[in-house]
Amino acid sequence: GDSVTQMEGPVTLSEEAFLTINCTYTATGYPSLFWYVQYPGEGLQLLLKATKADDKGSNKGFEATYRKETTSFHLEKGSVQVSDSAVYFCALNSGYSTLTFGKGTMLLVSP
Amino acid sequence: GAVVSQHPSWVICKSGTSVKIECRSLDFQATTMFWYRQFPKQSLMLMATSNEGSKATYEQGVEKDKFLINHASLTLSTLTVTSAHPEDSSFYICSARVPPGLAGTDTQYFGPGTRLTVL
Repeated sequence: GDSVTQMEGPVTLSEEAFLTINCTYTATGYPSLFWYVQYPGEGLQLLLKATKADDKGSNKGFEATYRKETTSFHLEKGSVQVSDSAVYFCALNSGYSTLTFGKGTMLLVSP
Repeated sequence: GAVVSQHPSWVICKSGTSVKIECRSLDFQATTMFWYRQFPKQSLMLMATSNEGSKATYEQGVEKDKFLINHASLTLSTLTVTSAHPEDSSFYICSARVPPGLAGTDTQYFGPGTRLTVL
C-alpha cells in the first residue's frame, strides 16, 4: 500500500537558517505529492504540490521537487522565520482521492 | 485557493449528548468531502468519505452509527457525534476535494478544525 515517511521532529532552527524536511514515499503508479502546514490549534493549509516527476512546487519561500528516482519530495526553505514554526505534513494521492499522510514534522524557529 | 469553513470551532458537551459539526466549501462545489480525526501530536486519521447525495464510506474501525455523516448539498457536509463520551474528545477536521479540472490535480482543502471536549 501507499506510505509516506517523514523525518522525525522536532526540528529546531534559529531564524534565517536553512530548512530541509525529508519526505520519501512508496506508492503505486504516479502519485501527486503535497506539503501541508498546520499552525497550532488550526486545520491544515496546502503549502505546495507537484503532480509529476521533476515538478517543483513552491510557495511562500518553500520549495519541494518531485524526485521519482529517489521517491522523495523534500521540503526546503532558504531562510526560516519564527512565523514558520508549525507542523509540516507530507502527503500523496495515488489517484483514489484519499490522501496518505506522513506523521508530521514539527518545526520550531527561535529568534 | 479554495476555502473551507467549519462550525463550531470548539464545543464542550456533556457525556451522552450529541454534537453536530458543519463543514462548508465557501467558493466552490464539493461532491466529495472527508472527515478526519486528529489526536494530540499525531497525524490525521481518515474517518470517512462523504459523497453528496449518497451514503458516506467509513474507514475500518469507525462506527458509522456513532459518527453520522450527511452530505446533503454540494457545499455542506455534517458530522454528528452521537451519545458522545469523553473518549470522543478530539480535534475533528474536514476537507473538501477539488477535482483535477479545477486544481490541476485532485487536491483536498482543509477546514480549520473543531475541538470537541466531552465532559
